[in-house]
Amino acid sequence: EAQVTQNPRYLITVTGKKLTVTCSQNMNHEYMSWYRQDPGLGLRQIYYSMNVEVTDKGDVPEGYKVSRKEKRNFPLILESPSPNQTSLYFCASQDRVYGYTFGSGTRLTVV
Amino acid sequence: AQSVTQPDIHITVSEGASLELRCNYSYGATPYLFWYVQSPGQGLQLLLKYFSGDTLVQGIKGFEAEFKRSQSSFNLRKPSVHWSDAAEYFCAVGTTSGTYKYIFGTGTRLKVLA
Repeated sequence: EAQVTQNPRYLITVTGKKLTVTCSQNMNHEYMSWYRQDPGLGLRQIYYSMNVEVTDKGDVPEGYKVSRKEKRNFPLILESPSPNQTSLYFCASQDRVYGYTFGSGTRLTVV
Repeated sequence: AQSVTQPDIHITVSEGASLELRCNYSYGATPYLFWYVQSPGQGLQLLLKYFSGDTLVQGIKGFEAEFKRSQSSFNLRKPSVHWSDAAEYFCAVGTTSGTYKYIFGTGTRLKVLA
């Protein structure tokens, strides 16, 4: 089954403690992306990757890092999380014909 | 720059009634257009998409949308709403070249009355 797998689904952490949210896709897509979803703001793109070792900033990249060492994986790294990064995060993998396939989301709370 | 507007934050309809969710976009060329649905606690599922061709697009779950270039709109419709359609709906516009970036609207939350 074609899918995007994100882990963890829920995460509570403290300010400043580094964390990584993993994302993996099994569709051999070149394009992957991270979004955050906040009430009243919809989904905003954090970072995207057009292929292995090719990443670029989206609309809200501050405080986040990504890497793309393999085609299937695209982890999101928060080096020093802050409370304003409390949000619902989605990883997405894109096919030009069928559009995005989203992961199930990671609800992050930073206290 | 691309933008997407969903003017209705909340919509309430009775089960069996018809539904129309509005979406207006701004883009310099003919965009790729999408509607996604998000059920509570779930990820986003693609309902339908428009790339080119026939401006009336059929999707899953009985939904359809019509692309109107003159109005820069891509409204989502369903003739008879079911209680299970209660969810949040997002319209998105995608670039047709380069980064293939999507811009999402802020969403419309649909409530269905029994």
